[in-house]
Amino acid sequence: KAGVTQTPRYLIKTRGQQVTLSCSPISGHRSVSWYQQTPGQGLQFLFEYFSETQRNKGNFPGRFSGRQFSNSRSEMNVSTLELGDSALYLCASSLAAGGGEKLFFGSGTQLSVL
Amino acid sequence: AQSVTQLGSHVSVSEGALVLLRCNYSSSVPPYLFWYVQYPNQGLQLLLKYTSAATLVKGINGFEAEFKKSETSFHLTKPSAHMSDAAEYFCAVSDRGNTGKLIFGQGTTLQVKP
Repeated sequence: KAGVTQTPRYLIKTRGQQVTLSCSPISGHRSVSWYQQTPGQGLQFLFEYFSETQRNKGNFPGRFSGRQFSNSRSEMNVSTLELGDSALYLCASSLAAGGGEKLFFGSGTQLSVL
Repeated sequence: AQSVTQLGSHVSVSEGALVLLRCNYSSSVPPYLFWYVQYPNQGLQLLLKYTSAATLVKGINGFEAEFKKSETSFHLTKPSAHMSDAAEYFCAVSDRGNTGKLIFGQGTTLQVKP
């Protein structure tokens, strides 16, 4: 069974641009969540989707958005990029939503904003 | 609000020695607790989780953790360190509600010396 696939693996953008990151969950998993990882702030929750509905959102500005498609694939978008958005963005999938679920993480997309 | 504190950002042990990584949590209700491991340039992998069954939880690769409610702790241990255990370890907490949001500690880098 293939794991969680995130594309692209690396991305370089400049300030003010926008970016879209993609996540394909493990087959059969219906829940997808996103996390931002930086050396200073650590791992921070961005959003959680289940059956195309956003169930929970972290404390990030509105420039960060996401969506989930009917096949459970998910995308996140960051508009008007800032230097501080440079981070590793991790996607995780699970069979169902809710606390206690085992999350399977992808290898992440490393975003660098210049 | 829930929070997680990992004591010690870096821990160094000799190969064959006991591994002890400390985690304390703050939660108003009994939480779900997790330990994840991250190897360089990879996503996170679940080591073990506590969901209110046995207080001593056994995970993969010989790791285990004990939930101590009175101490609000969930320390990770392994009797004998291997070189392959060198990685970053994250303790995380989620609530028992309908959300899969994880709150992570800042992480502990484990170094294993030959």
